[in-house]
Amino acid sequence: DAMVIQNPRYQVTQFGKPVTLSCSQTLNHNVMYWYQQKSSQAPKLLFHYYDKDFNNEADTPDNFQSRRPNTSFCFLDIRSPGLGDAAMYLCATSWRQPTDTQYFGPGTRLTVL
Amino acid sequence: AQKVTQAQTEISVVEKEDVTLDCVYETRDTTYYLFWYKQPPSGELVFLIRRNSFDEQNEISGRYSWNFQKSTSSFNFTITASQVVDSAVYFCALSERNTGTASKLTFGTGTRLQVTL
Repeated sequence: DAMVIQNPRYQVTQFGKPVTLSCSQTLNHNVMYWYQQKSSQAPKLLFHYYDKDFNNEADTPDNFQSRRPNTSFCFLDIRSPGLGDAAMYLCATSWRQPTDTQYFGPGTRLTVL
Repeated sequence: AQKVTQAQTEISVVEKEDVTLDCVYETRDTTYYLFWYKQPPSGELVFLIRRNSFDEQNEISGRYSWNFQKSTSSFNFTITASQVVDSAVYFCALSERNTGTASKLTFGTGTRLQVTL
């Protein structure tokens, strides 16, 4: 089945230790998104890739970076995680139109010690 | 700017009861899409429905139904004969045509539905 996959599902890191979260898709969608979701809140968009073009949200901290080496994979790098970065990180994909449906992966729950 | 309001923070029902989750939206765009997503305790956001602004027909899918009314800017979601497996957080979301590249979802704050035996 076509899908969005995120690895790992649970990630524990130490304060200040860089961490990378992974997302892959078999849907062949043009766009890949990264969201941060904290407890009892709606998902918050960090950035997205439209094909190879990176689009950052204005309020996304510099601590968060992303890479998309090919159509199928996208990575979220947190350079120096703080306690406030503990959250669920959701990857989503869609076709290219602004009103196309976004399909989400299962998420990676990040704990920062 | 666009906005989605889900006034119900939490709803508790007993299994087999019907329940309606409210969603009210604001947008200046004439072409927009509305969505509902389900987020069970596992965390994944599951897509339920997408409806465009030109299609006001109500939709039914099994025990789920959606009532879209442009006159009141509402897109409400009803679960008939609720089951314990329906327990989740439900998000209503809006995307507009004129957002530049790609889809930009504006989410409501979510409604937590608890179905008990």
